[in-house]
Amino acid sequence: AQSVTQLDSQVPVFEEAPVELRCNYSSSVSVYLFWYVQYPNQGLQLLLKYLSGSTLVKGINGFEAEFNKSQTSFHLRKPSVHISDTAEYFCAVSEGSQGNLIFGKGTKLSVKP
Amino acid sequence: DSGVTQTPKHLITATGQRVTLRCSPRSGDLSVYWYQQSLDQGLQFLIQYYNGEERAKGNILERFSAQQFPDLHSELNLSSLELGDSALYFCASSVSGMGEKLFFGSGTQLSVL
Repeated sequence: AQSVTQLDSQVPVFEEAPVELRCNYSSSVSVYLFWYVQYPNQGLQLLLKYLSGSTLVKGINGFEAEFNKSQTSFHLRKPSVHISDTAEYFCAVSEGSQGNLIFGKGTKLSVKP
Repeated sequence: DSGVTQTPKHLITATGQRVTLRCSPRSGDLSVYWYQQSLDQGLQFLIQYYNGEERAKGNILERFSAQQFPDLHSELNLSSLELGDSALYFCASSVSGMGEKLFFGSGTQLSVL
């Protein structure tokens, strides 16, 4: 069965500092990997996804993630965060051709001035 | 705006009651997903439909049921409600339901008193 572990429930960081949000997954088959962001009182929006090809994936708002098959990780990074990046970030996985996503418990990113 | 419409936005009801949550997917999307978000469980996949047929089932209780109608809108029925059913219920849609981006609605906040 698939599972997703987000190692940090909360990450506080100062504005313009770099940030990394960690995500590890477990699956016995090939997977598709996603990062979604949820702003307060809103639904989830896709940041980026990895389906195949280059292991470094670039998404919206300056975020990127790297797929590491040997470490079963898909960490999200941004070199310089803004106050507006304050939100909850969810890592998700789907197996092969299945459409449903299994989500991690989320990481709350808090950017302080 | 994701194009996915959920109604109502808020629902307050009592234990033992039954409620129906409604979802209209994006135009052209054939697959609909239901998720439950709570503080302790995070985002839990409940069920997926594709073009009127159930495709995948997650952690959905027997007291809960769903269907997708010929016009592709979906309803999630929650019965014999318990306090622990209080949560944010999200609907999402996608084109084919196979390992691709999901578009999320803004959710229905259910409060069981």
